[in-house]
Amino acid sequence: DAKTTQPPSMDCAEGRAANLPCNHSTISGNEYVYWYRQIHSQGPQYIIHGLKNNETNEMASLIITEDRKSSTLILPHATLRDTAVYYCIVRVENFNKFYFGSGTKLNVKP
Amino acid sequence: DTEVTQTPKHLVMGMTNKKSLKCEQHMGHRAMYWYKQKAKKPPELMFVYSYEKLSINESVPSRFSPECPNSSLLNLHLHALQPEDSALYLCASSQQILRLLGNEQFFGPGTRLTVL
Repeated sequence: DAKTTQPPSMDCAEGRAANLPCNHSTISGNEYVYWYRQIHSQGPQYIIHGLKNNETNEMASLIITEDRKSSTLILPHATLRDTAVYYCIVRVENFNKFYFGSGTKLNVKP
Repeated sequence: DTEVTQTPKHLVMGMTNKKSLKCEQHMGHRAMYWYKQKAKKPPELMFVYSYEKLSINESVPSRFSPECPNSSLLNLHLHALQPEDSALYLCASSQQILRLLGNEQFFGPGTRLTVL
């Protein structure tokens, strides 16, 4: 049972910020939001995760709404190499389980 | 070493064959995972090993048999598969840490399996 909802695809111009939304309206208080991406036919790559505070690392920023029902992954300066499927995941209560949502195909265009 | 390796990269097998997929990590992780990914679909969890013991089986058919011989190795034994089992099989590992802390999974590149 997917616990996240994402748009199937998005376009972004190279050099601009890519903002990828995710809805997780049934998230529980101790469940984290994770973002991974998968470039064609490779294994998924970890990007970032958070619980309730906004997070930033060298790859991206994660903005989580105050009610935690949605989040946005921000790639500040998208490049062609950022073209991939981006998955928003809520880590379920048994912490070893990752259920991937359907993902968003991000197309970065020159 | 922050890498999960998987062999072989590609595998073609008949429905009567027996084959094995191998996964290896040297990050000291004590949780290891098998996922199945069909074309244009997200990865689906199959099995989870925690401290070399099977902790989760997501109702996977018995023609898939996992094995964790030690903390660095994870195998998936395949027997009497069907053409619909053709997919990308992904292995992942993570630290086995407390529930309330983040738990990043590291994925291997996958094995592309074709069942004829």
